[in-house]
Amino acid sequence: KAGVTQTPRYLIKTRGQQVTLSCSPISGHRSVSWYQQTPGQGLQFLFEYFSETQRNKGNFPGRFSGRQFSNSRSEMNVSTLELGDSALYLCASRLAGGWSSPMSTDTQYFGPGTRLTVL
Amino acid sequence: DAKTTQPTSMDCAEGRAANLPCNHSTISGNEYVYWYRQIHSQGPQYIIHGLKNNETNEMASLIITEDRKSSTLILPHATLRDTAVYYCTTMEYGNKLVFGAGTILRVKS
Repeated sequence: KAGVTQTPRYLIKTRGQQVTLSCSPISGHRSVSWYQQTPGQGLQFLFEYFSETQRNKGNFPGRFSGRQFSNSRSEMNVSTLELGDSALYLCASRLAGGWSSPMSTDTQYFGPGTRLTVL
Repeated sequence: DAKTTQPTSMDCAEGRAANLPCNHSTISGNEYVYWYRQIHSQGPQYIIHGLKNNETNEMASLIITEDRKSSTLILPHATLRDTAVYYCTTMEYGNKLVFGAGTILRVKS
């Protein structure tokens, strides 16, 4: 079974621009979470989507947004890019079959990430 | 904020067992402990998880203390390819994994 895929793998943008990153979960997985990884802050949770609805959100400004499509694929968008947005953006998917409790023990599987550089 | 604390780094000889400790003294009763590792800034790779009982899979074993305040990840026969950053994490309400700084494991020949 194919793993989580993320596109593009690398991206260079300039301050003020916006960017859209894409994530395709493992086939059959219905939940997608996004994380940001920087050298200074480490791995931080951005948000989780399940059944096209955002169910949980981390402590990030409104410039960070996302959505999920009916096929469970997800995109995240960052508007008005700042230098500090340079990071590895990771997507993780989990099964969440049937009713998905927020405390589900479904394991999250991560994709390879998108390396975003803001100049 | 991270609920786990780990040593910054550890060394292990190739072929020997690597024992990575993790402190999670504030973990709540229904929170699982998950272990991931990350190699060369690739995406974190799932290793194992547990709640109360010890767990074993093809990659590693997880020993959780009876009071659940700490755990140890055991890689039984470490190889050079096991060199990575190892994260001990907890799953918060809302399926949010909370990561600490992790342990840099260096396996040396």
